[in-house]
Amino acid sequence: EEQLVQSGAEMKKPGESLKISCKASGYGFRTYWIAWVRQTPGKGLEWMGIIYPGDYGAKYSPSFQGQVTISADTSTTTAYLQWSSLRASDTAIYYCSRHIGYYTSGDLWGQGTLVTVSS
Amino acid sequence: QSVLTQPPSASGAPGQRVAISCSGGSSNIGSNIVSWYQHFPGTAPKLLIYSNFQRPAGVPDRFSGSKSGTSASLVISGLQSEDEGDYYCAAWDDSLDGQMFGGGTKLTVL
Repeated sequence: EEQLVQSGAEMKKPGESLKISCKASGYGFRTYWIAWVRQTPGKGLEWMGIIYPGDYGAKYSPSFQGQVTISADTSTTTAYLQWSSLRASDTAIYYCSRHIGYYTSGDLWGQGTLVTVSS
Repeated sequence: QSVLTQPPSASGAPGQRVAISCSGGSSNIGSNIVSWYQHFPGTAPKLLIYSNFQRPAGVPDRFSGSKSGTSASLVISGLQSEDEGDYYCAAWDDSLDGQMFGGGTKLTVL
């Protein structure tokens, strides 16, 4: 079965670092792009960026460039989203999704990871 | 403000037909394919329509998509109570070099 399984909910303090994961299984990890999408409380979906595990090439939304890092590990078929210094405004649900091309639709989604940043 | 503009809300009675619009520009909808997603709170978004009008396997034919110029539309026919949720359009934007989502439309089944 094709699936993306994300890591569990996180509760962090402002300034802390964090890395959340998206484990892919049931398909060729290297041949699909993985995107990260944010949903903030009461708001809509925001595309953060996307990575191609085949060559580790990544694109970032201008809104998130420099704020987060997207990476992938082909040995464990896992994509990651990380922050070096969290802010309260990073509190959100984060989803990963699979794409055939960087510009195409996400046909497979993870269940989401809730990140709460509060002092 | 989202690059892609959707009405914040839509509604219809069971069995009725409802259309949700998505307005963009030449750098996104005008030159790239449109997708539509269904999202229920607390669950992962679900792909409803890809490549402007294609339905993934398992999506009922009550859901249809279309695109004309710089606008797209999702039509839900034979509205059912389980359709109540949030709907988002999305398209790549060549100028911003990123995927853009509409602001989302909250569908209420009366």
